[in-house]
Amino acid sequence: GAVVSQHPSWVICKSGTSVKIECRSLDFQATTMFWYRQFPKQSLMLMATSNEGSKATYEQGVEKDKFLINHASLTLSTLTVTSAHPEDSSFYICSASRGGANTGELFFGEGSRLTVL
Amino acid sequence: GDSVTQMEGPVTLSEEAFLTINCTYTATGYPSLFWYVQYPGEGLQLLLKATKADDKGSNKGFEATYRKETTSFHLEKGSVQVSDSAVYFCALTLYSSASKIIFGSGTRLSIRP
Repeated sequence: GAVVSQHPSWVICKSGTSVKIECRSLDFQATTMFWYRQFPKQSLMLMATSNEGSKATYEQGVEKDKFLINHASLTLSTLTVTSAHPEDSSFYICSASRGGANTGELFFGEGSRLTVL
Repeated sequence: GDSVTQMEGPVTLSEEAFLTINCTYTATGYPSLFWYVQYPGEGLQLLLKATKADDKGSNKGFEATYRKETTSFHLEKGSVQVSDSAVYFCALTLYSSASKIIFGSGTRLSIRP
């Protein structure tokens, strides 16, 4: 099946620094990518929808200035956590869609674990 | 609001045991329902899906039937294997919000040899 890769798989940073996480679709072009956040023993919460060539659509309660999303090409979306703080520590997961999410054609990355000290 | 509730884990079973992971949903529209699986160190993968009432999704010996009357989509397998050890997520999407997929909290399944 289609492959989506995230990098880095884990990162530790100091409070106040910014961290960039990449999401790549390796063998297909993804018009839409999604970013999720997962807390321990909780479900994946959709943070934002990223469309190639346009601004991301953020879910209610997600700070767009805190979580910068860029979808500059059909195979790459990036999530930058700016001025990270310990409460931003979490598991971030991306997915890529070849069509609408309603078809079930979503392909997920392995996730990136962020720890902010 | 729209939501998915699934049984808490972890669930530990012996090999060849029967598996049920319960999932119920609340939705304002007519959802499509999914089960995703996440094996250790890997991303989520679609396991099976059902798009309308009474549909049965099946894959790799797993089955789930879309029950509109009980708003449920329970996952079952008749005889589990060690290789089925993973985290299982129930999820839904709504036609009106096709880009948004709502996940349950996940159920960790461990199978003993």
